[in-house]
Amino acid sequence: SQQGEEDPQALSIQEGENATMNCSYKTSINNLQWYRQNSGRGLVHLILIRSNEREKHSGRLRVTLDTSKKSSSLLITASRAADTASYFCATGYSSASKIIFGSGTRLSIRP
Amino acid sequence: DTAVSQTPKYLVTQMGNDKSIKCEQNLGHDTMYWYKQDSKKFLKIMFSYNNKELIINETVPNRFSPKSPDKAHLNLHINSLELGDSAVYFCASSQSPNRGHEKLFFGSGTQLSVL
Repeated sequence: SQQGEEDPQALSIQEGENATMNCSYKTSINNLQWYRQNSGRGLVHLILIRSNEREKHSGRLRVTLDTSKKSSSLLITASRAADTASYFCATGYSSASKIIFGSGTRLSIRP
Repeated sequence: DTAVSQTPKYLVTQMGNDKSIKCEQNLGHDTMYWYKQDSKKFLKIMFSYNNKELIINETVPNRFSPKSPDKAHLNLHINSLELGDSAVYFCASSQSPNRGHEKLFFGSGTQLSVL
């Protein structure tokens, strides 16, 4: 299966701390995306990193990609209560219309 | 002015029934998708259409039949519903994934409960 795996499955941290989530995948990719899903809602795109990029930033988000290890990480700095959600990585392949999602990390921010 | 809208939001039905979920996007995107999210939150691709043509069909039972009347619409019809079909179904669209526009825009989901 091409489905990615995320680690940890669940993460609970104090507001203001940094949160790090990891994603591993099995086959070569063209790009990797991160999405957020609030409870009962659809997924919202956060950031996309291409296979020839190593790091990307967007506001409080930092994404890294290590294609040799087939892994990516999402760092959320200075977490806020509103960051409580599930976070998914999604890998894109040469068959560009196929975007495969990981199993997700449930992030809880304690006030 | 919702970008990707799907109806209904909730669908409760008996085993054996036939039901449809509708999806429309007003973003002018070329590609639309159906994803299924199970109770453990695994999100699995089911179908992908590009300009009304089926391009991905991921080992989904024949009871599921997508239909794209035009590139702004992708409907999902399910025949002979089974208990295992209970899940949240998400519609999504992207601009032109073959030309580097892979970002997905999701609908808010249809929660299907089969009794």
